Formats: sequence, structure tokens, C-alpha cells
Amino acid sequence: SYDLTQPPSVSVSPGQTASITCSGDKLGEKYPCWYQQKPGQSPVLVIYEDNKRPSGIPERFSGSNSGNTATLTISGTQTMDEADYYCQAWDTSTAEVVFGGGTKLTVL
Amino acid sequence: QVQLQESGPGLVKPSETLSLTCTVSGGSISYYYWSWIRQSPGKGLEWIGYIYDSGSTSYNPSLKSRVTISVDTSENQVSLKLSSVTAADTAMYYCARLDIEYSRSLGYYSYMDVWGKGTTVTVSS
Repeated sequence: SYDLTQPPSVSVSPGQTASITCSGDKLGEKYPCWYQQKPGQSPVLVIYEDNKRPSGIPERFSGSNSGNTATLTISGTQTMDEADYYCQAWDTSTAEVVFGGGTKLTVL
Repeated sequence: QVQLQESGPGLVKPSETLSLTCTVSGGSISYYYWSWIRQSPGKGLEWIGYIYDSGSTSYNPSLKSRVTISVDTSENQVSLKLSSVTAADTAMYYCARLDIEYSRSLGYYSYMDVWGKGTTVTVSS
């Protein structure tokens, strides 16, 4: 099975840039996406196709992907960005959905 | 705007079958994939499975022996059944619209762009 690995936690100061990584074998050959989940809420898609933002997602959210690592970058991080973030990819060999373990972003 | 609403019993007894329904409103269920995802308390997201409007399915291997996902296009509903439940199946259950796309350079990829609010299921006697 295909595995995605994320750091359990990342901390950032308000106004700074937060980077959350997601690692998987040849992940750069896939199009991973990213979800934001705030406490008590459903996940929300924030990045897909490496670096596309759905309507309503602020421009400060961006994505990159190369080699074995995808990165979600939040520029000018705001306190409202404090949440859990999950990467997700498609396992082409099995046609299954795979989630990373999630990263808790703390803004302080 | 498409909206999803999960519904079903909030309490299920051990060894019984969990049954949930996801009702799709504001759009058609046709020509899309629909997925179930769960999240145990304090844990991450776990993909359960997905179904296309034709009825073709794919399930998480760890749950495959106990899961059935079905679709009722006339009612615009997707259903989840999970048999022989234990306390480990206590979780928030979400349904989501799953987009599966194809890129000539990278092959297939997917993302879930619409999510329901989720429904909490507790397994307890």
C-alpha cells in the first residue's frame, strides 16, 4: 500500500510563513491535495492539482511538489489558519485514496 | 451549490451493522464518485471507500470484508454499511464528493471538493 508521512505538528508565528510537508514514494509523480480541518468542522479542500486553490481559499495558501515531498505553504500565516492539515494522494496501483496522518498547525 | 448531509443512528451495539445515508442536494449524484471517510476521536482521516453512480466500488483493504457502499440515483443518496462493529468503529463519519481526474503526464489523481458535516457514531452496548 502507498503511505504518506506528515510531521505531527508545526508551529509558526503570526505573519510568518508556515510549511507543512507530506512525503511519499515518488510523490512528485502524483497530484496530491491538501485539506484544512478546524476543530469541530469538516475538512475543507485548500489545494489540489499540486497548486490550485478552490474558490474562496485565500491566495496565501500554495502548494509545491517534487521528488518524494509535497509542501503546503501558508504565507503571512494568520491565527485563523490554526488547524489540522491533511495531504491526500491517489494510489494509482490500487485506485485507492490515501491520507497522510495529519499535521497540527499552531500559530503563536 | 451541492450539499451533503449524513444521517443515521448515533448509537450502534457491538457486533451489529452500522448503516448511514448521505443525501446529495443541489446537484445530481450522477457522473460523480462519492466517498466515505471516518475520523476516530482525536485521530486522523481514514478513507473507507468510494462508489461511482454506476455502482462500481473500491474499499479500504483494512475494512473491505465489512464494508458495503451503495448508491440510489433516484433518491440522490449514497449509503454505507459496516458490519460486525466494535468500539474501534466509533468515529465521525463523513461523506464527500470525490473527483477523479486524469492527467496525460501524471495519470489519475483525486481530491474531495465537497464534504458533509459528518455524523457521529458510537459503538456501545
